[in-house]
Amino acid sequence: SQQGEEDPQALSIQEGENATMNCSYKTSINNLQWYRQNSGRGLVHLILIRSNEREKHSGRLRVTLDTSKKSSSLLITASRAADTASYFCATDAHSNSGYALNFGKGTSLLVTP
Amino acid sequence: GAGVSQSPRYKVAKRGQDVALRCDPISGHVSLFWYQQALGQGPEFLTYFQNEAQLDKSGLPSDRFFAERPEGSVSTLKIQRTQQEDSAVYLCASSFSRGNMNTEAFFGQGTRLTVV
Repeated sequence: SQQGEEDPQALSIQEGENATMNCSYKTSINNLQWYRQNSGRGLVHLILIRSNEREKHSGRLRVTLDTSKKSSSLLITASRAADTASYFCATDAHSNSGYALNFGKGTSLLVTP
Repeated sequence: GAGVSQSPRYKVAKRGQDVALRCDPISGHVSLFWYQQALGQGPEFLTYFQNEAQLDKSGLPSDRFFAERPEGSVSTLKIQRTQQEDSAVYLCASSFSRGNMNTEAFFGQGTRLTVV
């Protein structure tokens, strides 16, 4: 079963616009991570936010975490065509041993020139 | 290269055939994970190794799936008597940390398995 759920499932914007993706999860977490996946390729880690952090920045990325609402958001500012990809949130909860990352179904982002 | 390497990139198997998928993690990474990703879905956890020890295999969907990491580096995921529902991309990831996922995982490009 998948712990996180991203919203929206698909997002289409123009270059220069900001893109916001949301993630909700069900159980307590130690941290939440966002990954990006280009079509037919592996996942690339973007950012990790710990449960005691509320906001984190990395370049054009801004991630927020609200543990009371069990939700996170990823904001990509000034989007570029190269940002076109699927974006997944992943939490460290759920698995028997606590070792696994649990991914949502992802948001498919299309940035048009 | 310094990344996680998986082979083959693509595999077509006839139903009932056995397959073996290989993962070369980043050198020195203690943790190794296998995930299964169906089309249009997020990756689903299969199994976890800490060095050569398989500490969690709760995600393996059936006893046809078997994974090993005998020397604590290269890992092989074997699927016996493949079925059409096994068609998916199989992703391998490694991490420097042991235990809980408090650091990033590095993913390979995956092996796309198609069972016909």
